[in-house]
Amino acid sequence: GQNIDQPTEMTATEGAIVQINCTYQTSGFNGLFWYQQHAGEAPTFLSYNVLDGLEEKGRFSSFLSRSKGYSYLLLKELQMKDSASYLCAVRHTGGYNKLIFGAGTRLAVHP
Amino acid sequence: KAGVTQTPRYLIKTRGQQVTLSCSPISGHRSVSWYQQTPGQGLQFLFEYFSETQRNKGNFPGRFSGRQFSNSRSEMNVSTLELGDSALYLCASSLDGDSNQPQHFGDGTRLSIL
Repeated sequence: GQNIDQPTEMTATEGAIVQINCTYQTSGFNGLFWYQQHAGEAPTFLSYNVLDGLEEKGRFSSFLSRSKGYSYLLLKELQMKDSASYLCAVRHTGGYNKLIFGAGTRLAVHP
Repeated sequence: KAGVTQTPRYLIKTRGQQVTLSCSPISGHRSVSWYQQTPGQGLQFLFEYFSETQRNKGNFPGRFSGRQFSNSRSEMNVSTLELGDSALYLCASSLDGDSNQPQHFGDGTRLSIL
């Protein structure tokens, strides 16, 4: 089976940097996705990692360590609009588009 | 390019009824996946269709079923509705089965069971 853990809630200040961690246990791994979901809206794709290392995309970066079953999403220069839930999802080997999602981390950005 | 379109946006049903939800993927996308989202369980995978074939299934009872048409549009059906089926049902599409292709989600259908 698979298990994905993320902190339930985090708070941060506008302009700051925040790191959202995700740990997973899986019998097979074929990539990890991060999605952002604002309340009442659809999840939107942020990043994808399948190899170890850091992927940077503007203010957002995502890191993966397959040996440790660990990923993080780094958000820089936080803005109020970054207040949302951040979902970590693992694709299982041979699972095509079957994603197993963590419960999500609700981030509140304060002025 | 239009995004993933789900209809209806909201639906109210009573226990024992059945419901059909519709999803139109992004043009050119051949893979459609369905997820159930609830406050307690988060996002859970229901099934995935590709070229009109179900190639993945989550751990949901047989009351949950789906299909995909030749134009890649997909429907999911839930029969004998239960109170616990109240949830946001999300559809996601992607180009194909390549690992690095992200899934793009629709706004969902919010189903309420009375």
